[in-house]
Amino acid sequence: QSVLTQPPSVSAAPGQKVTISCSGSSSNIGGNSVSWYQHLPGTAPRLLIYDNNNRPSGIPDRFSGSKSGTSATLGITGLQTGDEADYYCVAWDSSLSAGVFGGGTKLTVL
Amino acid sequence: QVQLQQSGPGLVQPSQTLSLTCDISGDSVSSNSATWNWIRQSPSRGLEWLGRTYYRSKWYYDYALSVKSRMTVNPDTSKNQFSLQLNSVTPEDTALYYCARGLVPFYFDFWGQGTLVTVSS
Repeated sequence: QSVLTQPPSVSAAPGQKVTISCSGSSSNIGGNSVSWYQHLPGTAPRLLIYDNNNRPSGIPDRFSGSKSGTSATLGITGLQTGDEADYYCVAWDSSLSAGVFGGGTKLTVL
Repeated sequence: QVQLQQSGPGLVQPSQTLSLTCDISGDSVSSNSATWNWIRQSPSRGLEWLGRTYYRSKWYYDYALSVKSRMTVNPDTSKNQFSLQLNSVTPEDTALYYCARGLVPFYFDFWGQGTLVTVSS
């Protein structure tokens, strides 16, 4: 059971928009920033969003992040088949003094 | 450009110690702005943060509760690398292990290539 809760799967058609939620508590998301990662089999996870809503250089603006209270959301617009992957949220948990990942969400582009 | 190169055995016997090393290029293990992390991924547990070390005038260490009693992260300034030691492993520790550079507030921008470690006799 992960400390951060994500839906196991989401799906949408090419060109459409999808959102992935990440729910936590006051000790993690509520008090600390969230980052998001894309993970394709056989490759290292790729940083998509850091500090809630910032994109590293090289990440297209189709990817966006937001945070409200103890929840965060990753948005992906203009879906492409290449976006099919597992997506994870991460935050520091001040009560645990440890990093915590969400359980991951599998995105299927139909 | 930061690069992290992992090394270590892919097979460990139950009850033994899992040891992995992460060589750093393009940054320093003694950096005052980075942290050096170990993360693993398994089908049953997804991605799991294991622990980290970082230097801020002295060395600091943080560990996940699930491995705290068994895990050590060690920096080696002479080789610019850091290592993971996980004692008393069981088949539950079978996973793909990654090292990663962390930045403030708490995110990972560069990752090692991953090492598949199987715990089996």
